[in-house]
Amino acid sequence: SQQGEEDPQALSIQEGENATMNCSYKTSINNLQWYRQNSGRGLVHLILIRSNEREKHSGRLRVTLDTSKKSSSLLITASRAADTASYFCATRLGAGNTPLVFGKGTRLSVIA
Amino acid sequence: GAGVSQSPSNKVTEKGKDVELRCDPISGHTALYWYRQSLGQGLEFLIYFQGNSAPDKSGLPSDRFSAERTGGSVSTLTIQRTQQEDSAVYLCASSPTGFPGNTIYFGEGSWLTVV
Repeated sequence: SQQGEEDPQALSIQEGENATMNCSYKTSINNLQWYRQNSGRGLVHLILIRSNEREKHSGRLRVTLDTSKKSSSLLITASRAADTASYFCATRLGAGNTPLVFGKGTRLSVIA
Repeated sequence: GAGVSQSPSNKVTEKGKDVELRCDPISGHTALYWYRQSLGQGLEFLIYFQGNSAPDKSGLPSDRFSAERTGGSVSTLTIQRTQQEDSAVYLCASSPTGFPGNTIYFGEGSWLTVV
């Protein structure tokens, strides 16, 4: 089952521009995570934002969380060609010890 | 090991055959997940093991799919009587516990092609 849905499905930008990806989810969450996947490989964790946080930064990444709208956004500033990848949000299906489920992802292409 | 290890990395099998995919989680990690990803699609949750608790099998698509985890470490995902729609990357991940705040660490996946 899917919990998160990313938007847009695909995004193409020029190097140096900012990229914004959005995620909407359905149920109450404890936290929300963002992961990155290079083509055909395993996912790598980028950042986690807790339900009581509204914004979090890590390097060129900025994540926001709006629990009233059940949505999150991932902003990558000053994008580089190496940022080309798919980006997924992930949440737990419920409280406690439940599995982590992922959205369908946003495919980001950064053109040099 | 240093990371999550999966084998085989690639598997081509004939329709109707059984396949086994193996996952070695990071040492000491009690939580283990299996996901499936079809070409260009998102991750589909399959099954989740957490310590000695009964696994969460709610994502398994049919009774042809099963998984076990021996000794709380290595896990095997078995697909019986494979069908062409089973072709996908099967990703395994582990985390230190099932605590909601834990990051999960992925292996590189097993690419399964059913011909």
